[in-house]
Amino acid sequence: EIIMTQSPATLSLSPGESATLSCTASQSLGTNLAWYQQRPGQAPRLLIYVASTRATGIPLRFSGSGSGTEFTLTITSLQSEDFAVYYCLQYARSWTFGQGTKVEMK
Amino acid sequence: QVHLVESGGGVVQPGGSLRLSCAASGFTFSHYGLHWVRQAPGSGLEWVTFIRYDGSSQYYADSVKGRFTVSRDDSKTTVYLQMTSLRSDDTAVYYCVKGKDYGDHFDHWGQGTLVTVSP
Repeated sequence: EIIMTQSPATLSLSPGESATLSCTASQSLGTNLAWYQQRPGQAPRLLIYVASTRATGIPLRFSGSGSGTEFTLTITSLQSEDFAVYYCLQYARSWTFGQGTKVEMK
Repeated sequence: QVHLVESGGGVVQPGGSLRLSCAASGFTFSHYGLHWVRQAPGSGLEWVTFIRYDGSSQYYADSVKGRFTVSRDDSKTTVYLQMTSLRSDDTAVYYCVKGKDYGDHFDHWGQGTLVTVSP
């Protein structure tokens, strides 16, 4: 089983700042990694797939990078609607989520 | 526009059974695999099961293997999750999620249905 570890657990930032979220896999994934955003009371939505491809309708301030075992989601100039929980998902072998990173307003 | 609507959630006693349904629209149902993903209260996301586009293969998380069964009816564009021998740690919101095939990410999510396992 592939274990996904996200860090930090919580990120406290102000609107306009940038957020850097990390996701580490216990085995190499190639680029078989996606990122999802979940706002309170809502279902998750796809942000990024194949490590760095933005999904349809996702703003340019969201970007993904990485390959192998180390991946990063960057959100530049945080907007109020970006304060949420973010999950990474590996789909190289079966499917496994990270435990999530909460981006909260400072 | 992709639309996934789950139903069938509710309160069930430990050891009981429940069947969830997910009605899909807005895409060619028979071309896509479908997942169930769950989220316990206050917790993260857990992948539960996947059924391939043609129903030929199903995959399960170890936590539900032997207790849950996923199936699909292309004539009704609906996917089902039959849950048996339910335990308290199965309590969660269950999401129906559109995928593609094994080795692909998920794209569209339903709004979820809550299953509560309690005496």
